[in-house]
Amino acid sequence: DQQVKQNSPSLSVQEGRISILNCDYTNSMFDYFLWYKKYPAEGPTFLISISSIKDKNEDGRFTVFLNKSAKHLSLHIVPSQPGDSAVYFCAASVGGVVDNAGNMLTFGGGTRLMVKP
Amino acid sequence: DSGVTQTPKHLITATGQRVTLRCSPRSGDLSVYWYQQSLDQGLQFLIQYYNGEERAKGNILERFSAQQFPDLHSELNLSSLELGDSALYFCASSVHTGQAYEKLFFGSGTQLSVL
Repeated sequence: DQQVKQNSPSLSVQEGRISILNCDYTNSMFDYFLWYKKYPAEGPTFLISISSIKDKNEDGRFTVFLNKSAKHLSLHIVPSQPGDSAVYFCAASVGGVVDNAGNMLTFGGGTRLMVKP
Repeated sequence: DSGVTQTPKHLITATGQRVTLRCSPRSGDLSVYWYQQSLDQGLQFLIQYYNGEERAKGNILERFSAQQFPDLHSELNLSSLELGDSALYFCASSVHTGQAYEKLFFGSGTQLSVL
């Protein structure tokens, strides 16, 4: 039972354009969402997060949007740069509570972003 | 560099064998988490330790075990290995007990190949 899904395994974007990465979740108890970026041969690194009390959080070129009614969040990267090419993981958690699986962060399967020069 | 160190980076072994993966958390971090990433899969939470004690358990097989030592480094032991155990194993650390809104800092992982 995948509670967090990233339905696009890969995305290719031209440098300078917008990259939009999508994530859907099924657990309505999730109230905190994070995006992690992963380069080859490295561990995931935290990128940006959003609490369920907000619908948008912006940090430089990165903006995360949350649509609670649709159980959907997206990461926008504007403008995209070749250095943004990486695998992006969406993750979600239930505030301060360990669920039955003890899964503090539930990750999606990742989306590989390729930004072409 | 996240400050989390995992060794070894690569491990090749045979079915039925036992291996130990090691993790040193960031200085000052008390919580250590282990995650497994199989091919085309997201990161699956295995287990978490906080200051030497098991804090939370996820989808960890009975053949797998972990511990956190007094110096806060952690080891993940995988025994009776099967082909399906081939995966990238990540360790992560954080400061507190794993309450929500915490960022996890990941190591670069150990790639385990079971032949």
